[in-house]
Amino acid sequence: RKEVEQDPGPFNVPEGATVAFNCTYSNSASQSFFWYRQDCRKEPKLLMSVYSSGNEDGRFTAQLNRASQYISLLIRDSKLSDSATYLCVVFYTGGFKTIFGAGTRLFVKA
Amino acid sequence: EAQVTQNPRYLITVTGKKLTVTCSQNMNHEYMSWYRQDPGLGLRQIYYSMNVEVTDKGDVPEGYKVSRKEKRNFPLILESPSPNQTSLYFCASSLGIGWDTQYFGPGTRLTVL
Repeated sequence: RKEVEQDPGPFNVPEGATVAFNCTYSNSASQSFFWYRQDCRKEPKLLMSVYSSGNEDGRFTAQLNRASQYISLLIRDSKLSDSATYLCVVFYTGGFKTIFGAGTRLFVKA
Repeated sequence: EAQVTQNPRYLITVTGKKLTVTCSQNMNHEYMSWYRQDPGLGLRQIYYSMNVEVTDKGDVPEGYKVSRKEKRNFPLILESPSPNQTSLYFCASSLGIGWDTQYFGPGTRLTVL
C-alpha cells in the first residue's frame, strides 16, 4: 500500500463546477500536510498548507481529518486555469521525509 | 529573484557514464531535496539535506549520491547511470522543515540509453 494515496482521475468538469479531491495517508506520525499544484510536467508549486482546523484560500478549501488519516481539497467555481495535477503531500518529522501522492488530474472545460 | 536553479535541463547519456546534476538556491534555505518523477508514481524523494554536511536517504536512494558542502548547492551524482534512472528530476529547497513551503527547480529531464 502506498503511503499517500490519491484518486488519479482524471476529473473532467465544466467551468463553474465544484470539485473535491481526496487523499489518504498511512503513517499516523505524519506531521504536516500540503496541496501542491503541478502544470504539465513543470515544477510543483504550493497551493496551500492543510491545518487541523481546516483552512480556506479564496475558492480553495482544505480539510484534515487526523482520526481517519484523510485530507481533502475542495475547489469551488472552477476556472479553466485550474486545469492541472493536484499533489497531496505529507511530511514526516520522524524521518524528515516528504512523501508525495501520485497526483489527481483535473480538466476544466468551457 | 528568489529561485532554485538546476543544470542541465535536458540530458541524454549512455549507461555507465558518470554525471552530475547541479542544484543551487539563493534563498539561504536549510532544507534541500532531490526527487524523481515517473508516470503513475508521482514524485519520490531520493535524498535530502537538513544543512551543510548533513544528508540522508529518501525513499529511492539506490544509484545516487549527493553532497552538501555549501548551503546553496546540492548536486546529485549518478556514478554509473542505468536506463531505469531515466526520469524527470526536481531539486527543491525550503527555509526549514515541517511547515515550510518547498520551492522547486524547473526540473532536469534525463534519458539514459
